[in-house]
Amino acid sequence: DAGVTQSPTHLIKTRGQQVTLRCSPKSGHDTVSWYQQALGQGPQFIFQYYEEEERQRGNFPDRFSGHQFPNYSSELNVNALLLGDSALYLCASSTAGAGGYTFGSGTRLTVV
Amino acid sequence: AQSVTQLDSQVPVFEEAPVELRCNYSSSVSVYLFWYVQYPNQGLQLLLKYLSGSTLVKGINGFEAEFNKSQTSFHLRKPSVHISDTAEYFCAVKRGVTGGGNKLTFGTGTQLKVEL
Repeated sequence: DAGVTQSPTHLIKTRGQQVTLRCSPKSGHDTVSWYQQALGQGPQFIFQYYEEEERQRGNFPDRFSGHQFPNYSSELNVNALLLGDSALYLCASSTAGAGGYTFGSGTRLTVV
Repeated sequence: AQSVTQLDSQVPVFEEAPVELRCNYSSSVSVYLFWYVQYPNQGLQLLLKYLSGSTLVKGINGFEAEFNKSQTSFHLRKPSVHISDTAEYFCAVKRGVTGGGNKLTFGTGTQLKVEL
């Protein structure tokens, strides 16, 4: 049973560019959340998608946007990249319930 | 809003010794609590979770945690650690209601370093 799959695993971008990260949730999960983890920090919530709509958003600028597809997979888009956007981006999937989240291995984004 | 405080940024311990990683939370509503482990260059793996019921929760790899509502704590313990337990440990909290739309709020993490 495949868990959460994220792609790519590593990415290097230049300041000002745009990036798209992808996530396939665990089988049976319908909710996808994205987190940003800066070096030495805990993950910070970016937003959550359910039924193809953004349901909750953390304290991130509009440069961060997302999408969820009918098959529950999701994309995270970041425009006008800044050096401070360099981080590990984690995708987590879940069902609408009380349980915890299943995390992917993340995408390491480096902005130069 | 919920918040989590992990009181120790680093915990060194010798192999086969017991360890406790401390976590305190703040919330005006009931909560669900989680501990995740992160190995270098990897994502987060769920160790254990408290949703309701018994306050002593047992997880994978011999870890356990005790929910203490009066002290708003959820400390993680292991009676005898192994070298392979060296990793970053994160405590997280979520609003304690069923249904989607509830984010996880993480602490800043505790680096457990097991030495020979």
